[in-house]
Amino acid sequence: NAGVMQNPRHLVRRRGQEARLRCSPMKGHSHVYWYRQLPEEGLKFMVYLQKENIIDESGMPKERFSAEFPKEGPSILRIQQVVRGDSAAYFCASSSDREGGTEAFFGQGTRLTVV
Amino acid sequence: GEDVEQSLFLSVREGDSSVINCTYTDSSSTYLYWYKQEPGAGLQLLTYIFSNMDMKQDQRLTVLLNKKDKHLSLRIADTQTGDSAIYFCARGDNYGQNFVFGPGTRLSVLP
Repeated sequence: NAGVMQNPRHLVRRRGQEARLRCSPMKGHSHVYWYRQLPEEGLKFMVYLQKENIIDESGMPKERFSAEFPKEGPSILRIQQVVRGDSAAYFCASSSDREGGTEAFFGQGTRLTVV
Repeated sequence: GEDVEQSLFLSVREGDSSVINCTYTDSSSTYLYWYKQEPGAGLQLLTYIFSNMDMKQDQRLTVLLNKKDKHLSLRIADTQTGDSAIYFCARGDNYGQNFVFGPGTRLSVLP
């Protein structure tokens, strides 16, 4: 059972381009969370999704950022018209909805560099 | 100030005990967590404590929770060089919901 898979591990984009970050949750997990880790800072919650639904997007910037978790395939975090300030590590986590479950499993992260 | 706070750096000598501290302001969460992040890697759950507990021990790790002072600590006994990493304190609910992370404490273990 593979863990949470994120790709790519490293992504370089020029200012104004689009960045697409993918997250495949652990098998059997239907909850996905995206976090952003800015240099020398902790992780900030961005969005919480279940299959085909956005549950909580209170941490998402109002513009240029969007997320989806389709019925089939990975969850996608999309950043349009990237700017230098978007350079960060983006982590995805997944969890199951079993009673008593407590752990969210994290992926290795995608390190986005905007040049 | 931030909801979850930690000191940013800690240095200890190999073999000594490390104590990483965390304070928080919102006590509504069900669990308090400690995650470890090694360079270039994701976050690994080390341990967690239910908000109604005072202490939890797991091998070399001891978690103490002072609910009155909203203070959480992680003690690592017999610290090894492999323990060098960033340690994140987090509060949250079941299944990873409503996680709020601290800024992380960078632990350096000196030979």
